[in-house]
Amino acid sequence: QVQLVESGGGVVQPGGSLRLSCAASGFTFSSYGMHWVRQAPGKGLEWVAFIRYDGSNKYYADSVKGRFTISRDNSKNTLYLQMNSLRAEDTAVYYCAKEGWSWGQGTLVTVSS
Amino acid sequence: DIQMTQSPSSLSASVGDRVTITCQASQDISNYLNWYQQKPGKAPKLLIYDASNLETGVPSRFSGSGSGTDFTFTISSLQPEDIATYYCQQYDNLPPGRITFGPGTKVDIK
Repeated sequence: QVQLVESGGGVVQPGGSLRLSCAASGFTFSSYGMHWVRQAPGKGLEWVAFIRYDGSNKYYADSVKGRFTISRDNSKNTLYLQMNSLRAEDTAVYYCAKEGWSWGQGTLVTVSS
Repeated sequence: DIQMTQSPSSLSASVGDRVTITCQASQDISNYLNWYQQKPGKAPKLLIYDASNLETGVPSRFSGSGSGTDFTFTISSLQPEDIATYYCQQYDNLPPGRITFGPGTKVDIK
């Protein structure tokens, strides 16, 4: 069955960078678009970014545009989220999700000095 | 961007009660609406897709209806394991981005 495992979360200072990974298995990764969605502590869900199955198009929420970059390596069945210029308000659990909405378990990013 | 509202924000009901949550979109989204269940510390789980289709393996006490701007999610007979927060999500905007979620409805047992 579909399995998505996020990694790379941690504590980072404001202005810092972090790269999240999402390892996919149980489906043909190269055939599906992928999303990142985040959830701040005690808050609701916020869509962050989407990448088409072949990486040809990428879309971002206004709140992260210009700071975050979504990418994928279909040879490694892995999705990435490069996060730069991090702010306190980026603190959240970050989930990857497959087109069709199967979700990983999430990885926590904390931006704090 | 399309805004989603949900009501109520929380509710308490007894086991066996019928529970209804509504979701309203700020513009016509046809049937491009999903419903999720999220339990504390867990990822959201897709229950209903395309407004009214039950995801495989989801109990039949869950159902959804609506189209356009107004949608309803129903639990026909609330069970203790249904304690969770429920979110609606629209995915109408093209290109495939600009997805938005409702603010959530927290359901607990009275």
